[in-house]
Amino acid sequence: EAGVAQSPRYKIIEKRQSVAFWCNPISGHATLYWYQQILGQGPKLLIQFQNNGVVDDSQLPKDRFSAERLKGVDSTLKIQPAKLEDSAVYLCASTRLAGLYEQYFGPGTRLTVT
Amino acid sequence: DAKTTQPPSMDCAEGRAANLPCNHSTISGNEYVYWYRQIHSQGPQYIIHGLKNNETNEMASLIITEDRKSSTLILPHATLRDTAVYYCIVRREYGNKLVFGAGTILRVKS
Repeated sequence: EAGVAQSPRYKIIEKRQSVAFWCNPISGHATLYWYQQILGQGPKLLIQFQNNGVVDDSQLPKDRFSAERLKGVDSTLKIQPAKLEDSAVYLCASTRLAGLYEQYFGPGTRLTVT
Repeated sequence: DAKTTQPPSMDCAEGRAANLPCNHSTISGNEYVYWYRQIHSQGPQYIIHGLKNNETNEMASLIITEDRKSSTLILPHATLRDTAVYYCIVRREYGNKLVFGAGTILRVKS
């Protein structure tokens, strides 16, 4: 079974630019998560989708971050405009059903904002 | 969800058992203890979870104290590939969020 795919793996942008990350979850997984992981910290949940609906986006900075999951399969996370403090690894995870104990994580996208 | 406390780092000799402690003194009766690990440049990986009984799978064993206020993850024969950050997380079995702390950096040395 293929794992969670993410692209790009690395991205360097200047502050105030925009950037987008893509995630393709494991086939058949209805729940998709985006996490932000700042260096030296554990991942922090940004947004959770159940199929194509948002379940939890309470920690998503909505003035600059947006995410969508059209057709309930792959998802994109966008930052516009980026700030220096957005430098982090952005992880995508999926699970077959919401709340199941095992979330499957992708390798992440490392974003550097200069 | 209850908070957890873990040591920031630990060392272990290759081939020896690695015992990673976690304190969760405010855990509720319906909350489980989960362990994930994150190898460098990879996403976190599920290891094991339990409620109150000890659990074992092909990767590790989980020992939960009788009062459930602390637990220990045991890697019985640590290898260099077990070098990673280990996260102890407490949440309801079908809770939505995984709330990660800083975890424990385990360094397995030859």
